[in-house]
Amino acid sequence: GEDVEQSLFLSVREGDSSVINCTYTDSSSTYLYWYKQEPGAGLQLLTYIFSNMDMKQDQRLTVLLNKKDKHLSLRIADTQTGDSAIYFCAENSDKIIFGKGTRLHILP
Amino acid sequence: NAGVTQTPKFQVLKTGQSMTLQCAQDMNHEYMSWYRQDPGMGLRLIHYSVGAGITDQGEVPNGYNVSRSTTEDFPLRLLSAAPSQTSVYFCASSYSLAGGWPGELFFGEGSRLTVL
Repeated sequence: GEDVEQSLFLSVREGDSSVINCTYTDSSSTYLYWYKQEPGAGLQLLTYIFSNMDMKQDQRLTVLLNKKDKHLSLRIADTQTGDSAIYFCAENSDKIIFGKGTRLHILP
Repeated sequence: NAGVTQTPKFQVLKTGQSMTLQCAQDMNHEYMSWYRQDPGMGLRLIHYSVGAGITDQGEVPNGYNVSRSTTEDFPLRLLSAAPSQTSVYFCASSYSLAGGWPGELFFGEGSRLTVL
């Protein structure tokens, strides 16, 4: 069945780049997503990449997709305190499956 | 725009009680789903629906029932609540991509359920 794996914690100094990694299993996924959850809130779509793309850039966010290895990463440039949140990777098929989420902690 | 509306936001139940979490969306989305979120477990899919009259099981369906009689509503029923069902529940909906698969999910604000 589908499975999405990601590390649970990441600590980064303010101003540095954050890289959050994810692996997935469903090779038929057409979209791969990154969602952001701030404390006490629901999830909001941060960005996504279509499965026939290798890279997508959106301001401070860069998504890299290695379809052969089923590996997805999210890079946040110039990490700010407002980026502190849980980041979820997700894959779609006839349903959307999420990873366990990576909690990003920003060090001053 | 209301988006996805979940009620109630908070609920405390005793073991064995039943209840229904309501979810409604006003975006005419075909796809609707329920997730539960527990610490360290991420979001796990309970049930989902690709359209009115169609429902299917997700990763953790046991102890929960759903129905989809209209496009707008997708209630989640707990028939006999257990402490293991203490969690935060999220309803989410999506438009359908070509082929019927869901696209971007739009989430409700969540319902915090405690079962004593």
